[in-house]
Order: sequence, then C-alpha cells, then structure tokens
Amino acid sequence: DAGVTQSPTHLIKTRGQHVTLRCSPISGHKSVSWYQQVLGQGPQFIFQYYEKEERGRGNFPDRFSARQFPNYSSELNVNALLLGDSALYLCASSLDRTPYNEQFFGPGTRLTVL
Amino acid sequence: GEDVEQSLFLSVREGDSSVINCTYTDSSSTYLYWYKQEPGAGLQLLTYIFSNMDMKQDQRLTVLLNKKDKHLSLRIADTQTGDSAIYFCAESEYGGATNKLIFGTGTLLAVQP
Repeated sequence: DAGVTQSPTHLIKTRGQHVTLRCSPISGHKSVSWYQQVLGQGPQFIFQYYEKEERGRGNFPDRFSARQFPNYSSELNVNALLLGDSALYLCASSLDRTPYNEQFFGPGTRLTVL
Repeated sequence: GEDVEQSLFLSVREGDSSVINCTYTDSSSTYLYWYKQEPGAGLQLLTYIFSNMDMKQDQRLTVLLNKKDKHLSLRIADTQTGDSAIYFCAESEYGGATNKLIFGTGTLLAVQP
C-alpha cells in the first residue's frame, strides 16, 4: 500500500510569491495534518483537517491556508512568501482526529524562499 | 505552555546503549511518542507510550515515563550505525476537536563504528 505522498519534493520561490503544496493521505485515512519544520528545529503544527473541515490551527499567520478535498487529499497554500517560510513542510494522515490512531508522515516538501 | 525539550547531541559507540532524554510540559498528554528522522526523510514513528504506563519495551527500544517529573526517555540497546539519525519526542495535545503533536527540538544521535 502507498504511504502518504507529497508533491512537489522540492520547490524554490522568491519573496512575495505564493505556493501550493499537495498531500495524498493513505487510503482510508480521513484526517490530514500539516507541519512546518525549519532547519534545526522540530516540526510545528500548522493545521488539522478532518472530513474536509478545519479542526485545528497552529500559531501561523493568515498567509497560511489549507483545504481538504472530497477524496481526503489536501493542499497547503502560503501567500506573500517570506524568507522565514523556507522549511520542510510535512503532511501526516491518520484514520481520524484522535490520538488513538497513529499519524503517518509523508517525506515532505522542501520549500526554499529566495 | 507548549515546550518539549531535548538535549541536542549524543555520540555513542556501536554496540553500546543510547539514552535520549526529553522533558515535556502538558501533564494531560494522552500519548507520548518517539520519532526518528533520517537525512532528507520524513518522520518515522518508532514507539509510543500511553500516559498511564511507566515503561514500554519493544525489541531494542525501551521507553521510560516519569509523569511526576514529566520526563520521557528512549533507550536503544546494542546501538548500530543505522540508528544514526535525529530523534524527536512528541506529546499529543488532544483538545476534543484537534489532535496535534508537539515536538521537541530533536536529538542528533551519532553512532561511531
């Protein structure tokens, strides 16, 4: 079975641009979470979506938005990119939004903002 | 507050035991986790412990939980060069609507042959 997939694997943007990152969860998983991992730090929670609704949001500005589609895949959008948005963006999927089911992480999208 | 702390670096010789420590802040965390991240890769769940347990053993891995001191440790027996990676502890903050993981800063484990 395929694990969590993310696209693209790498991306280079310039300041002020916007970016869309994509995530496909494991088949049957209805929850998708997004995390930002800046170099040298642990991942930081951005969003959790479950059944196509936002269920939680971390301490990130409104430039960050996301959505979940009927097939449970998800997009993360970041507008007006800043240098500080350079990071590895990780997507995780799980069966539901409780801690009783493991969150499986994808390989991430490496975003570089110049 | 949300603050999970780990030591930054640990170096061991192949065959020795490794102990990675973590302190967390949320006493209501239901689960506590250890993840492994190899260079250029995502996160791999190694093991977890439920908050009402003191210890969990899984092959070469032993997790110890001291709830009173909010201290979590991961012991890797017979450490191999393939264990070289960054190890993150994480606590689960479950607010009824959201389950978010709060990660530590990570411990880089270097295994010397």
